[in-house]
Amino acid sequence: LAKTTQPISMDSYEGQEVNITCSHNNIATNDYITWYQQFPSQGPRFIIQGYKTKVTNEVASLFIPADRKSSTLSLPRVSLSDTAVYYCLVVENTGFQKLVFGTGTRLLVSP
Amino acid sequence: KAGVTQTPRYLIKTRGQQVTLSCSPISGHRSVSWYQQTPGQGLQFLFEYFSETQRNKGNFPGRFSGRQFSNSRSEMNVSTLELGDSALYLCASSNPGTASYEQYFGPGTRLTVT
Repeated sequence: LAKTTQPISMDSYEGQEVNITCSHNNIATNDYITWYQQFPSQGPRFIIQGYKTKVTNEVASLFIPADRKSSTLSLPRVSLSDTAVYYCLVVENTGFQKLVFGTGTRLLVSP
Repeated sequence: KAGVTQTPRYLIKTRGQQVTLSCSPISGHRSVSWYQQTPGQGLQFLFEYFSETQRNKGNFPGRFSGRQFSNSRSEMNVSTLELGDSALYLCASSNPGTASYEQYFGPGTRLTVT
């Protein structure tokens, strides 16, 4: 499984766009890039996944360059409720439901 | 559709005891995975069950075991509890073959070992 590296923490203000970058140099051809969000004392919540280029849903956008060695999660106009830990994961497309979580990025949104 | 439920939500046990945690997946989901979360080690994969069979296992000692029933509900057992087993235990359900990266987590069981 490819190891992921992301910033330990980030600070932002309400209404700003937040971009969290994750590097995954050893990503394999069949791997997907996935992001989860976790609030304190809750289970992680799936945000978005992608394989290449750009993916957008109602919550976030995911940008993946052609070499797929990194990815960027973009949260538009964050609010206080976006304060959470964000995990970048590389997931093998094997059918086995094993997620390998790194340390994540602790995002703090201030008023 | 109801989410993943875990019982109990909080538990206090004494070192040396054993504990059983329960997880009910989302209706129709056949895969249940278990994770342990601690401040020091973060989120770590314990094992995954699909159709009552353990398909994948993380690097945990044999004191950690699990099983899955025919209705996909799963239980996790930890025997001979140690202080280091204090953690938030999370289960997640999914439907393999659709989106292996998208797992739905329950609220967790917070276990405290004294």
